[in-house]
Amino acid sequence: GAVVSQHPSRVICKSGTSVKIECRSLDFQATTMFWYRQFPKQSLMLMATSNEGSKATYEQGVEKDKFLINHASLTLSTLTVTSAHPEDSSFYICSARQGFEQYFGPGTRLTVT
Amino acid sequence: GQQLNQSPQSMFIQEGEDVSMNCTSSSIFNTWLWYKQDPGEGPVLLIALYKAGELTSNGRLTAQFGITRKDSFLNISASIPSDVGIYFCAGQLLQGGSEKLVFGKGTKLTVNP
Repeated sequence: GAVVSQHPSRVICKSGTSVKIECRSLDFQATTMFWYRQFPKQSLMLMATSNEGSKATYEQGVEKDKFLINHASLTLSTLTVTSAHPEDSSFYICSARQGFEQYFGPGTRLTVT
Repeated sequence: GQQLNQSPQSMFIQEGEDVSMNCTSSSIFNTWLWYKQDPGEGPVLLIALYKAGELTSNGRLTAQFGITRKDSFLNISASIPSDVGIYFCAGQLLQGGSEKLVFGKGTKLTVNP
């Protein structure tokens, strides 16, 4: 149990375009999901907390108009990187909370050219 | 903000050896989690600790939640090649009305067969 999927696993886009990443909890419902960003050889940094049916809560320094989060159902949260720039290239990982534990998706590698 | 100091940063061991890594913090956490991350993948939950002083095992892995709730260690006994990866500690706390994870910087484990 407690499986989280992400789609796509890899995406390459041109600078200025938008990219949507999906995060799904496959075998449980998650009222709260989280979006993280991880640079090479670094730890995970929380970007935002996604709450089903309400607005996401963003961490300090994360632009909410650039990283749009929608948690429309108990099993799906989406992160849209708008007007992507090369510096947005990173590994984006979502997690879903079940009880007191967080289960992570496999990550999405975003490359902006 | 909260920080987790994880050590060592990297370890190189021989197959069959035992491994120990730890995390400390100046903050108190409600829950302590240990994750393993393989390259290009999301973190996988290994052990979750909920009570101060709690000692929990999962196969060859043993972890303890410090009595002050500010530290934890993870031991791996009789290491095998598939133990290779990056191990992260993560402390969970209530902040701004939601539970958040704060990650350590990771311990990169290399096991020589």
